[in-house]
Amino acid sequence: DIQMTQSPSTLSASVGDRVTITCRASQSISTWLAWHQQKPGKAPKLLIYKVSSLETGVPSRFSGSGSGTKFTLTISSLQPDDFATYYCQQYNSYLITFGQGTRLEIK
Amino acid sequence: EVQLVESGGGVVRPGGSLRLSCAASGFTFDDYGMNWVRQAPGKGLEWVSGINWSSSIIGYADSVKGRLTISRDNAKNSLYLQMNSLRVEDTALYHCVRGRGTGEDAFDIWGQGTMVTVSS
Repeated sequence: DIQMTQSPSTLSASVGDRVTITCRASQSISTWLAWHQQKPGKAPKLLIYKVSSLETGVPSRFSGSGSGTKFTLTISSLQPDDFATYYCQQYNSYLITFGQGTRLEIK
Repeated sequence: EVQLVESGGGVVRPGGSLRLSCAASGFTFDDYGMNWVRQAPGKGLEWVSGINWSSSIIGYADSVKGRLTISRDNAKNSLYLQMNSLRVEDTALYHCVRGRGTGEDAFDIWGQGTMVTVSS
């Protein structure tokens, strides 16, 4: 199975900060990488698919980049609504795996 | 409105069985691959199983292979998960999830989930 490792596990930041979350795959997944946001008690929400394609309705302050085994999610200017847990998801085959999550908290 | 509604969760003894169902509405069901994703209390997301639009391609996480069986009925716009030989570690909220395409893909629509508790 392809292992996905996110870093950091927890990130403390302030409103207006630029933050980056990294996801590394144990082997190449080409561009089959998505990012999800989850708030407490809610189902996850798709933010980005195929590394850098923004899902409809997602604010443009979210962006993704990378290829192969290293990927990043960047939030250009944190808003109060962005404090949540973020997961990367690889879908290179029908052995789909998630990263362990990055909790973004208010500093 | 695009919607996925899960049912069938509950409390079961170790070694027992459950069958989860997911009713889809608001979209053409057989245009999409479907999945089950679970989340144990306080833990992260774990993909359990996926099935492509025609049921010709199916995948399972190693942790459930041989015990859980995914299926779909496109005529009924429904997804199922038959769960046998349940273990304490299967305790989780089980989400029905749509992929963006006909097979393995990013997950774009999530149901609210149905809780499965395995306990003696």
